[in-house]
Amino acid sequence: KQEVTQIPAALSVPEGENLVLNCSFTDSAIYNLQWFRQDPGKGLTSLLLIQSSQREQTSGRLNASLDKSSGRSTLYIAASQPGDSATYLCAVRGNYGQNFVFGPGTRLSVLP
Amino acid sequence: GAGVSQSPRYKVAKRGQDVALRCDPISGHVSLFWYQQALGQGPEFLTYFQNEAQLDKSGLPSDRFFAERPEGSVSTLKIQRTQQEDSAVYLCASSWRQETQYFGPGTRLLVL
Repeated sequence: KQEVTQIPAALSVPEGENLVLNCSFTDSAIYNLQWFRQDPGKGLTSLLLIQSSQREQTSGRLNASLDKSSGRSTLYIAASQPGDSATYLCAVRGNYGQNFVFGPGTRLSVLP
Repeated sequence: GAGVSQSPRYKVAKRGQDVALRCDPISGHVSLFWYQQALGQGPEFLTYFQNEAQLDKSGLPSDRFFAERPEGSVSTLKIQRTQQEDSAVYLCASSWRQETQYFGPGTRLLVL
């Protein structure tokens, strides 16, 4: 059974810092991996989707990498801003199912 | 275009009541998913539809949970004889085949 963990559970940084969020998964037979953002009381917003054949994806200040063999993904946020404050969720989709398995999330606070 | 919508946004139920949660997916999306998110946790998969066919219901926690999508668009998640442990946010997501999943804002259910 696929298990997804995320480190750290919470992170507080001053505005302007670059930061890295980590995601690990136990079964490397994945179809894709997706990073989401969740604001309090809101649904999930897709940030980046990485297919299993890809190594990384970039969107603006966000860069996500995937190392399928080691079961790891990182989300890099450059020049963090207070508006980046949210919970960041990593989710993996296996080769044999349609649904995502989510990690517990990293709660990020960017202080002005 | 319009995103995934869910109703009601909030529901308070007395223990033992039946509840029905509605999801309107993005028009044309073939796949529809239901997830349950407990406080401080990542979403957990409940069930998956492809058009009107329920292809995976392995995540439904008990036979009190029932989902349907009779015409391949709107879906309803029904919980019978609600229990306090059913209190959670219920998220619906839709996608065009195997692409990015788009999430609705969720229904926050509180069982007293």
